[in-house]
Amino acid sequence: DARVTQTPRHKVTEMGQEVTMRCQPILGHNTVFWYRQTMMQGLELLAYFRNRAPLDDSGMPKDRFSAEMPDATLATLKIQPSEPRDSAVYFCASGLGGGDTQYFGPGTRLTVL
Amino acid sequence: ILNVEQSPQSLHVQEGDSTNFTCSFPSSNFYALHWYRWETAKSPEALFVMTLNGDEKKKGRISATLNTKEGYSYLYIKGSQPEDSATYLCAPSGNTGKLIFGQGTTLQVKP
Repeated sequence: DARVTQTPRHKVTEMGQEVTMRCQPILGHNTVFWYRQTMMQGLELLAYFRNRAPLDDSGMPKDRFSAEMPDATLATLKIQPSEPRDSAVYFCASGLGGGDTQYFGPGTRLTVL
Repeated sequence: ILNVEQSPQSLHVQEGDSTNFTCSFPSSNFYALHWYRWETAKSPEALFVMTLNGDEKKKGRISATLNTKEGYSYLYIKGSQPEDSATYLCAPSGNTGKLIFGQGTTLQVKP
């Protein structure tokens, strides 16, 4: 049963600390997405990759957020420095691109104190 | 694709009632329309993907239709059950694969 995995599932940190969230897409999927769930915005797209190349990161605050795909089995989302307003659930999703279904991971719940 | 609207925002029904929700989206640059079911404290789960005008999809008691010319999709649930309680998201996409999610319709089914 292929699934998207995310680590950690929960992260509590203090303001100013670096946070790294990891995602393992479903094997064979070439498109990876990072979303953030907030009360105001619902599901907000932060960035996405196709074949490991970033296609769109316009939804991401560039000064503190960065997203990378070091290889086809790992996507990372980093926040440095973290701020309390970054507290949210961060979801990773993967798919085959085009209009294909995106499969979501379980999410990382981040709390920045 | 911008301005995805879902209505109603929330809905409370009794077990056994049938219900439907609407998703409206701009019809320009349309490639596909996705419906997701999102239970509290879980991750969104794909229900349907539709691409062609007039498409209809069904999964058990849940079905969906698509009108790409006028830019809307309906989701129907027949004989709602408490386990159907969730937020239902629609998301149109262009051919880049990027989904634009609506705010969702939150359904609460009372036993």
